[in-house]
Amino acid sequence: DAGVIQSPRHEVTEMGQEVTLRCKPISGHDYLFWYRQTMMRGLELLIYFNNNVPIDDSGMPEDRFSAKMPNASFSTLKIQPSEPRDSAVYFCASSGGGNEQFFGPGTRLTVL
Amino acid sequence: GEDVEQSLFLSVREGDSSVINCTYTDSSSTYLYWYKQEPGAGLQLLTYIFSNMDMKQDQRLTVLLNKKDKHLSLRIADTQTGDSAIYFCAEIPFGQGGKLIFGQGTELSVKP
Repeated sequence: DAGVIQSPRHEVTEMGQEVTLRCKPISGHDYLFWYRQTMMRGLELLIYFNNNVPIDDSGMPEDRFSAKMPNASFSTLKIQPSEPRDSAVYFCASSGGGNEQFFGPGTRLTVL
Repeated sequence: GEDVEQSLFLSVREGDSSVINCTYTDSSSTYLYWYKQEPGAGLQLLTYIFSNMDMKQDQRLTVLLNKKDKHLSLRIADTQTGDSAIYFCAEIPFGQGGKLIFGQGTELSVKP
């Protein structure tokens, strides 16, 4: 299995631009999670889906952030407009409903 | 509330044992986890323990859980330079679905 796939691995953009991060979960997994990692706040859950339905989005910072999961094999996290404080590493993880979450390699976002 | 605390740094000599400690506040957590993050990489699940267990051993890794004191530890026997990484303790509080709450991470440095 290829594991959780994220793209792009690195993204540099300017303040005000739209950013879209992509994730392909492990085949057969029905849970998908988006996390953000910063020096100041550590690792924090943004949102998670079960069977493509958002279950808990209480960690989404504000309306500039949105996430979708149009099908079982694809999810996006969009930031519009982006701000410098959004600079972080964004991780996608998936789970087969058991106790283990498997993480992707992350997308390092820099907003100038 | 939910909170997970770890010391930030640990330095050991190659061949020694490493013990990474973690305290958590939510006694309802059913599973507790240890993840490893190498530089520039995602999080790798090392092991996890169910809350009704006191100990779990997996090759060089030993997890000890003191539920009364809400204390979790990870012991790495015969620590190698390849074990140098950041180690995260995490919990899923009861009723929180798959929401992992992470500690700040402990940076383990292994010196030859």
